[in-house]
Parts: sequence; structure tokens; C-alpha cells
Amino acid sequence: AQSVTQPDIHITVSEGASLELRCNYSYGATPYLFWYVQSPGQGLQLLLKYFSGDTLVQGIKGFEAEFKRSQSSFNLRKPSVHWSDAAEYFCAVGATSGNEKLTFGTGTRLTIIP
Amino acid sequence: EAGVTQFPSHSVIEKGQTVTLRCDPISGHDNLYWYRRVMGKEIKFLLHFVKESKQDESGMPNNRFLAERTGGTYSTLKVQPAELEDSGVYFCASSPLLAGDTQYFGPGTRLTVL
Repeated sequence: AQSVTQPDIHITVSEGASLELRCNYSYGATPYLFWYVQSPGQGLQLLLKYFSGDTLVQGIKGFEAEFKRSQSSFNLRKPSVHWSDAAEYFCAVGATSGNEKLTFGTGTRLTIIP
Repeated sequence: EAGVTQFPSHSVIEKGQTVTLRCDPISGHDNLYWYRRVMGKEIKFLLHFVKESKQDESGMPNNRFLAERTGGTYSTLKVQPAELEDSGVYFCASSPLLAGDTQYFGPGTRLTVL
């Protein structure tokens, strides 16, 4: 069975600082990987996704993530955070056949301090 | 293009009552998914429709939950009778039939059972 681990429940960073959110997955083959963000009062918005090809993927809002097969990781990064990045971030894995359910991690809540 | 919409945004009911949640997917999306997040835990899959057929309902917690998708358009999720542990945020997502496509999420319905 597939699973996702987000080891950090809550992270606090200063505005302008760099950010890395960790995600480890368990899946029997090459997975489809996603990062979603949920801002307060909003739904889940897709930040980026990895299906195949280049292991460094670029997303919206200046985010990027790197797929590392050897470490079963898909960490999310941003070089300089903005106050508007305060939100909850979810990593998810889906089957490579597509059209199937996503398995989510427990989420990481990001707080930005001035 | 309109996104996934869900109604109501919030619902507060007494234990033992019935509640029906509605999801309108993006027009043309044949895949429709229901997920739930209980407070502090991960977002968990409930079920998946392809058009009007249930493709996977392995995540439905028990027979108090009934999902329908008449005509392959909008979907409803009924909880009858509601229990305290049903409280949480219910998300709906949709995607086209093309393999590997992204699931687009609605804003969720926050259900509180008192």
C-alpha cells in the first residue's frame, strides 16, 4: 500500500528566508507525486506535480520540488518565502496508472514571521 | 472556467441527524473523488466515480455514508445518521479521464456533528 510521510507538523520561518518541506513516500513503482497548498479559508490548490522526466519540477508561486528515487523523497523548496506563503502544505502520491485515488501526508503548517 | 464547487461550505448538525453534501465538478470531468480530513489527520480518500459508476469505494467508512452521482454530473454524499466522529472537512475533486491528470479540488465542506 502506498503511504506518505511529512515529518514536520509545523514549521516557522522568517520572511525572506529559504524553505524546505520534507516528504517521503512509499510506493511499489515510480509514483505520481504532488504538492498541494491550502490557504486559510481556501480549498486545495496544486503547486506542482511530478509524473516523469526531469526530477526537478517547477511550480507556481516560485516553488520547486525534487524527486529523489534513491531516498523516496519529494521535498518542496522555495528560495525566499513571502508572508502570503503562510498556509498548510500537503504532499500526495498517486498511482502511475492515473485516474486513481491520492494518498496524502498529514500536512505541514507553515508560519511566516516578519 | 468554473472550478469545483461544494455546498454547503459549513454544516452543523446534531448526532443522529442526516446531512447531504453536494459537489459540482468541473464541466466535462468524468472522474469525481470524495475525500475527508478529520481534524489533525491526513486527507483520506472515500470514493471515486467514473461518470455515474462507482469505480472505487474502498475508503467509505461504513454504511451510514451513501454517495451518488446521477447522470454523471454532480454528486451527493449523504451521512445518515451522523455520528460525532463524522466531523471533519469533506473535499471533492474532479479530473478528466486522461491518465495521470491532476485532480482539482473544491473548497471543502466543514461538517460539525454535535
